[in-house]
Amino acid sequence: DAGITQSPRHKVTETGTPVTLRCHQTENHRYMYWYRQDPGHGLRLIHYSYGVKDTDKGEVSDGYSVSRSKTEDFLLTLESATSSQTSVYFCAISESGTVRDSNQPQHFGDGTRLSIL
Amino acid sequence: GDSVTQMEGPVTLSEEAFLTINCTYTATGYPSLFWYVQYPGEGLQLLLKATKADDKGSNKGFEATYRKETTSFHLEKGSVQVSDSAVYFCALEDTGRRALTFGSGTRLQVQP
Repeated sequence: DAGITQSPRHKVTETGTPVTLRCHQTENHRYMYWYRQDPGHGLRLIHYSYGVKDTDKGEVSDGYSVSRSKTEDFLLTLESATSSQTSVYFCAISESGTVRDSNQPQHFGDGTRLSIL
Repeated sequence: GDSVTQMEGPVTLSEEAFLTINCTYTATGYPSLFWYVQYPGEGLQLLLKATKADDKGSNKGFEATYRKETTSFHLEKGSVQVSDSAVYFCALEDTGRRALTFGSGTRLQVQP
């Protein structure tokens, strides 16, 4: 399995509190992604990174920020959590950034289940 | 923008039955297409892919053919097993962002 560790795996918190999720990889891959998974929506891209300190928004980025200060870590922060951000969050990594041209598919972590009360 | 539509689940089949999960897409250009599988409590794993029209992706007995004329990428398996029970996601690659756009997922339940 690809070396991806998400932490924490489960978290329950209250509305209005800040939350940071961590994705750590040991593969030295350039691209990292944060998705959220919700019933009826599949996975939706929140933010992604194409290098250290290089990040861009996905389709559901409102209310989220990210940081990548070193290759192996990609942090997702909810500055002031809301109940609508209750979800399962997945990190993914990719060596080349394009699944089409690479024999290495986009690898996913095991997810973080976040509940905001 | 790009989008992927999958058939609603759950799909419940008996062991050794034939499986089809429908997937259609909307995209500009010529995206690459994928099927991912998610087993309970785990992340997603790439099942198969096709990168151009008429390509057939296959893996573990599953197949899907990239049909440009119908913008479809239906997943098929001739004989399902209980171990195939999972959620299946169809996806396309947005080459601009180098990220994936997923369908909503289809849960497959295979009974002995």
